Amino acid sequence: ETGVTQSPTHLIKTRGQQVTLRCSSQSGHNTVSWYQQALGQGPQFIFQYYREEENGRGNFPPRFSGLQFPNYSSELNVNALELDDSALYLCASSSPGTGRYNEQFFGPGTRLTVL
Amino acid sequence: AQSVTQPDIHITVSEGASLELRCNYSYGATPYLFWYVQSPGQGLQLLLKYFSGDTLVQGIKGFEAEFKRSQSSFNLRKPSVHWSDAAEYFCAVGATGAQKLVFGQGTRLTINP
Repeated sequence: ETGVTQSPTHLIKTRGQQVTLRCSSQSGHNTVSWYQQALGQGPQFIFQYYREEENGRGNFPPRFSGLQFPNYSSELNVNALELDDSALYLCASSSPGTGRYNEQFFGPGTRLTVL
Repeated sequence: AQSVTQPDIHITVSEGASLELRCNYSYGATPYLFWYVQSPGQGLQLLLKYFSGDTLVQGIKGFEAEFKRSQSSFNLRKPSVHWSDAAEYFCAVGATGAQKLVFGQGTRLTINP
């Protein structure tokens, strides 16, 4: 069974640029969540995708957007990068059932540095 | 809205000593509670989780945690720490419907030889 994978591992961009981060969910999981972890902080929920539709969003501006594909892999896109976007971006997959919380499995993350 | 507080930003203990990391949560219904560990430059590894039932839960690497509803706490414990336990520890609460995790700020654990 393959776990959650993310690419790239590291990325350096400059202010104003756009970036795309990628995530492959664990086998059998149809839900992907994205989190931003700034240095010295806990992860913050960005949004979640379930069956290719956004299924909840945290307090992030619209320049953070995402996609989920039919194979349940996902992309996180960030436009007009700002210095404060420098962070570790974590992807987590899960397989929601009915009436209960479902455990999320995390990937290793993508470290984004904005200069 | 859910929230999680980890009162201790940094804790130092000696190898072989016992450990307790504190976590307090705020959530209106029955919470789903988690402890994760993160080594430098790494993603999150689940140590243990509480969904329901026995309030004392056992996890990996010899860790355990106790859910106390009256105190809104879910403290992590280990009877004897090893140098390899040095890492950042995060407490998190999840909720049905929202299907998201809310994390605390984390506690950095340093082990003295």
